[in-house]
Parts: sequence; structure tokens; C-alpha cells
Amino acid sequence: DAGVIQSPRHEVTEMGQEVTLRCKPISGHNSLFWYRQTMMRGLELLIYFNNNVPIDDSGMPEDRFSAKMPNASFSTLKIQPSEPRDSAVYFCASRSSGGLAYEQYFGPGTRLTVT
Amino acid sequence: EDKVVQSPLSLVVHEGDTVTLNCSYEVTNFRSLLWYKQEKKAPTFLFMLTSSGIEKKSGRLSSILDKKELFSILNITATQTGDSAVYLCAAPLISGNTPLVFGKGTRLSVIA
Repeated sequence: DAGVIQSPRHEVTEMGQEVTLRCKPISGHNSLFWYRQTMMRGLELLIYFNNNVPIDDSGMPEDRFSAKMPNASFSTLKIQPSEPRDSAVYFCASRSSGGLAYEQYFGPGTRLTVT
Repeated sequence: EDKVVQSPLSLVVHEGDTVTLNCSYEVTNFRSLLWYKQEKKAPTFLFMLTSSGIEKKSGRLSSILDKKELFSILNITATQTGDSAVYLCAAPLISGNTPLVFGKGTRLSVIA
């Protein structure tokens, strides 16, 4: 199994540009989570989906952030327009239905730098 | 508000030392507490604790939970440079199929 796949691994962009992060969960997993990690705030949940449906997006910082999961094998996190304070590592994680909390598999992350 | 608090935030030790990392939590309907190790990539799972007083052990790492005092510790004995990492403590919110709330982590540096 290839695990959770994220792309790109690194993204450097200028303030004001649109950024799209992509995630492919492990096949058969029906829960998907987007986290953001910074030195100041640690690892924070942004949004999660069960069966492609957004369940809780209260962690999304503001309207500049949006996430979609059009099918069971693909999700995107979009930032438009991006700002320097969005610089962070963004992790996607997935879990199977009924799985214990620890059976949450993380992707390698996307390191975003907004200049 | 559910929260997980870790201490210390950072720690520098010499190889061979023993370290204790702390995690306290306030989580509604507590079910379990998890420890992860994060090197320069994604967090990897170490332990899940659900019962008080029962030590989980893996090699030089061990962990225990105190549900009365709402905390957990992670011990690492005879530390090695390969133990250098950020150690994260987390708890699932509310019930099973929900995300994890993480502490900010303890950054451990082991120097030769």
C-alpha cells in the first residue's frame, strides 16, 4: 500500500496567489483529515470528512480556506488568496470506518511557504 | 474546550540519559490518549493508552496513564541520538470516528 499521498511536497508562492494542496487517502479509508502544523500552534485540525462529506470545518481559519472531497480517493485544500501567515506544514491523514483513533495514517505533508 | 498540554516544550539531554515527557489533558468523554513520534516528516504512532496504571512498553520507551489526575508520561531510557524528535500527545474528541486534538509537542534533542 502506498500510504497517504500528498502533493506537492513543497510549495513556495507569493502572497495573494492561489494555492491548492492535494491528498489521496489510503484506499478503503472513508475518513480524511486536514491538519496544519506550525511552531507556534502545533498540529491543528482544519477540517475532516466522513464518506466524502465535510463533518467539521470549524478549524478552517477563515474564508480564504476551502476544502473539497469530490470522491473517496481525492481531496483538495485551497487557499485563496494566500498570506505569509499561512506558511506551515499541511498534513492529510486518513482512517478506515470503525478504526481506532490511532489507526490514523498521516501523509508526508506539504510544506507551504508564502512570501 | 478540549485541550492537551505537554511539557517541557523542549529538552536537551546527553546520550544514555533517561527522560520523562509529560502530557496533561482535559477532554470531554475521554476514551484514550495517544503518543506519536515526529521526526522530519509525518507523526508515527507509538502508544495508545486507555486504562490507568497499565504501562505500555516498546523497547526503551514506555508510557503510563493516570485517569484520576488526567495525565500521561512517556519515558525513554538510555537515550540515543536517534530518539531526537518531537513527541506528540493526542486524544480523540468525543468519540471514535473523530479527529485528534494534539498537544504542541516536546522537542527532544539527544546529543552524543
